Amino acid sequence: DSGVTQTPKHLITATGQRVTLRCSPRSGDLSVYWYQQSLDQGLQFLIQYYNGEERAKGNILERFSAQQFPDLHSELNLSSLELGDSALYFCASSVGAGGNNEQFFGPGTRLTVL
Amino acid sequence: AQKVTQAQTEISVVEKEDVTLDCVYETRDTTYYLFWYKQPPSGELVFLIRRNSFDEQNEISGRYSWNFQKSTSSFNFTITASQVVDSAVYFCALLPPGYSSASKIIFGSGTRLSIRP
Repeated sequence: DSGVTQTPKHLITATGQRVTLRCSPRSGDLSVYWYQQSLDQGLQFLIQYYNGEERAKGNILERFSAQQFPDLHSELNLSSLELGDSALYFCASSVGAGGNNEQFFGPGTRLTVL
Repeated sequence: AQKVTQAQTEISVVEKEDVTLDCVYETRDTTYYLFWYKQPPSGELVFLIRRNSFDEQNEISGRYSWNFQKSTSSFNFTITASQVVDSAVYFCALLPPGYSSASKIIFGSGTRLSIRP
């Protein structure tokens, strides 16, 4: 158990809908990272927050947004969902802000868009 | 352009055999980090190792060892005396340094390792 929790574990929704994925980092970790893993795109970095501020942005679509709250948990919002958004979404956390920090991954949220 | 190639899509060996997973990378940066992650059937990603480009020493951790060769841009991973619990997908990743370096991390496509009893 990495200490990172993600909810929900599975999510099934329809095209056009909006969903929110939640992540709680390990105790003491200030950075939260979001990744998408899909069959066609592989593993891709989406976005990183450090102590409430956006730190790094990757291949995150404009339809997606994220935030990190004062208690350091983070939410990833996906809107106007398309079939291609079906993927496993991981959250990871680390103590420091640098991307080279050891990251601890949550179990992931499997999103299925029908 | 940065790239990570894991040419072995799938490997299957019998328990107790040694197995090497290849990782070849491309980068123009002189400083960078390399990682290996394990993704067991349960799905979560597990960090295995981080290597700084300035540190070419090979590393051994139990049955796991890593061979970093800058001259061939490779960072190979060997499991000695493999066990069924080693069955997983293994990812190699490349990361440049910098303030927002996390945005530039590149993962390989992964190698699915199956250990047969």
